[in-house]
Amino acid sequence: SQKIEQNSEALNIQEGKTATLTCNYTNYSPAYLQWYRQDPGRGPVFLLLIRENEKEKRKERLKVTFDTTLKQSLFHITASQPADSATYLCAPPSYMNYGGSQGNLIFGKGTKLSVKP
Amino acid sequence: KAGVTQTPRYLIKTRGQQVTLSCSPISGHRSVSWYQQTPGQGLQFLFEYFSETQRNKGNFPGRFSGRQFSNSRSEMNVSTLELGDSALYLCASSLGGNGNSPLHFGNGTRLTVT
Repeated sequence: SQKIEQNSEALNIQEGKTATLTCNYTNYSPAYLQWYRQDPGRGPVFLLLIRENEKEKRKERLKVTFDTTLKQSLFHITASQPADSATYLCAPPSYMNYGGSQGNLIFGKGTKLSVKP
Repeated sequence: KAGVTQTPRYLIKTRGQQVTLSCSPISGHRSVSWYQQTPGQGLQFLFEYFSETQRNKGNFPGRFSGRQFSNSRSEMNVSTLELGDSALYLCASSLGGNGNSPLHFGNGTRLTVT
């Protein structure tokens, strides 16, 4: 069955450094992958979507890569700030139960990022 | 544009009871998905509705059900509550056209079963 793994449950870094979060998937090849941020007591917030034919995507201080050979996506936050502290979730789509098309998102368990001043 | 609204925000029920949670999606969004979030399992997909039809369903028992109304608002029902149903229930709406639309989540309903 499809499996999503975010390698670190927690990541602690110093302000100003680059945070790198990893998402690995097995047993299938998603056509795209989304990244979300979740703060305590709140719902996840969409950050970026990257498609399988896009090696890299950027949005301000955020960068996502998608390596279909390694079956891995990396999420980078450059010049990190304490306000970046949150849990980050990767979410590729599952294969739907009918037709083999890709549908609902399946979420990794997330990486809790703490940025210390 | 108003975001996704979930009511109630908190709920305490006892085992054996049933509960109904409500979700109002972003205006114009036709897809509504429901997820259960627990510390141990993370976000688990319950079901998705699109234009009043259930389009996809996760691996939850039949005690979990949902529906969507013509105005895209959705409700989720859990019958015969168990202690293990204690969780944050999240609703998300999207345009839902081809499956790669970003999800817009509400802040959830925190259900505690005692």
